[in-house]
Parts: sequence; structure tokens; C-alpha cells
Amino acid sequence: GAVVSQHPSRVICKSGTSVKIECRSLDFQATTMFWYRQFPKKSLMLMATSNEGSKATYEQGVEKDKFLINHASLTLSTLTVTSAHPEDSSFYICSARDGGGAGTEAFFGQGTRLTVV
Amino acid sequence: AQSVAQPEDQVNVAEGNPLTVKCTYSVSGNPYLFWYVQYPNRGLQFLLKYITGDNLVKGSYGFEAEFNKSQTSFHLKKPSALVSDSALYFCAVRDPGAGSYQLTFGKGTKLSVIP
Repeated sequence: GAVVSQHPSRVICKSGTSVKIECRSLDFQATTMFWYRQFPKKSLMLMATSNEGSKATYEQGVEKDKFLINHASLTLSTLTVTSAHPEDSSFYICSARDGGGAGTEAFFGQGTRLTVV
Repeated sequence: AQSVAQPEDQVNVAEGNPLTVKCTYSVSGNPYLFWYVQYPNRGLQFLLKYITGDNLVKGSYGFEAEFNKSQTSFHLKKPSALVSDSALYFCAVRDPGAGSYQLTFGKGTKLSVIP
């Protein structure tokens, strides 16, 4: 299957600082990328849908000014957590699809464990 | 709106025994259904999907799932469980008629295979 690389896998940052997480599709062009947040023992919560060259679509309740998403190319999307606070600590996962039909599966990055201290 | 239910938080099975992880769904039209597996601190790996055709779908690592339209179910199965199958399993649905490529996930089922 297609490969999605997410970096970094773990990051610890101080409260008030910003953290950038990268999501790259290595062997395909990703027209759409998704960003999820996963709480312990919980399912994935979709945060936003990112389309190359256009603004991301955020889910209800997700602060777009806090979670900045940039999908500048067909192989790279970034999520920046601005002014991070301890409650932002979580596991963040991206996924990407290659523009096939609705039956095409999405491929996931390995996730980023963010800890804000 | 589309939704997925995984009624079991945890499933325990002895190594070598058959396993079943349950999933039911709700969509307005014909569903596209997916199973993913997640190992600790990792992303999700695709196992299999049902789009159309044969109701029994075979996927990676010996897993299979059966689409049952009348029961709106898509249970994941494997004839003989391995200890290495222990992980978190997610069922997901997409409604192709909804105009979106979003996946809606179930809450996940933790599978523990006991040696």
C-alpha cells in the first residue's frame, strides 16, 4: 500500500510554544489529507480536512487559529499547534488519499505523540 | 449522518481459536466499509474494505469480514488467532453519496490474544 510519513513521532514542548507536525505522502500525490486527534482509549476525532491549494475545512469545535493547517503541495500537509497548552497533549494522526473514488482507502501516518509541559 | 458502532471495548481470545470483532453501521445509502488495525503508538494500518460485490471480503494477515446488509453489520473475523494479532481494531464507514471522503470511525475494539 501507499506510504504516509508523519514527523516527528514524538515531541515535548513547553506551554505557550508552537509545534509543527508534518505529513508526507511518499509514493503518491495526496489531493486530500485528514488530521485526526486520538485521546487515550478513544476513537479518532476528525479535526480537519486539508485539500491541496485551498483552505482546510475544520470540524465543529476545532479552533482553526489554534490548529493551523497548510497543504501547500500534493505531498505535504502540516499541522501547527499554536500556543500549545497541556490540554493539547494528545496523539495526532494524519491520513491521505490519492484522489481515487470514494472506495479508495485512506493511508495513515504513524502518528505524533505531543506532550505539552 | 453516518455512524459506526463497535459494541465491544475488548475481546479476549485464546491463541489458535477463531476471533470475531463486531461492527454495525448506519448510513443513508450503500456503505463503503473499512477495517483498520492500530498497534501501540502507531498510526492505522488498512486491513480490508467492502465496496461492492462478494459479501465476504478477504484482507491482510488472514483477516476477513462479511458484509451483511440486512443486519447492517461488517464483522471482522479470523479462523485462527495469533498473539501478534493483539491490537486495537477500528471499523470505519464512508457514505459515497454524501459528497465527502471522510471516514467515520467506531470507538475501537481492543483485541487480546492469550498464549
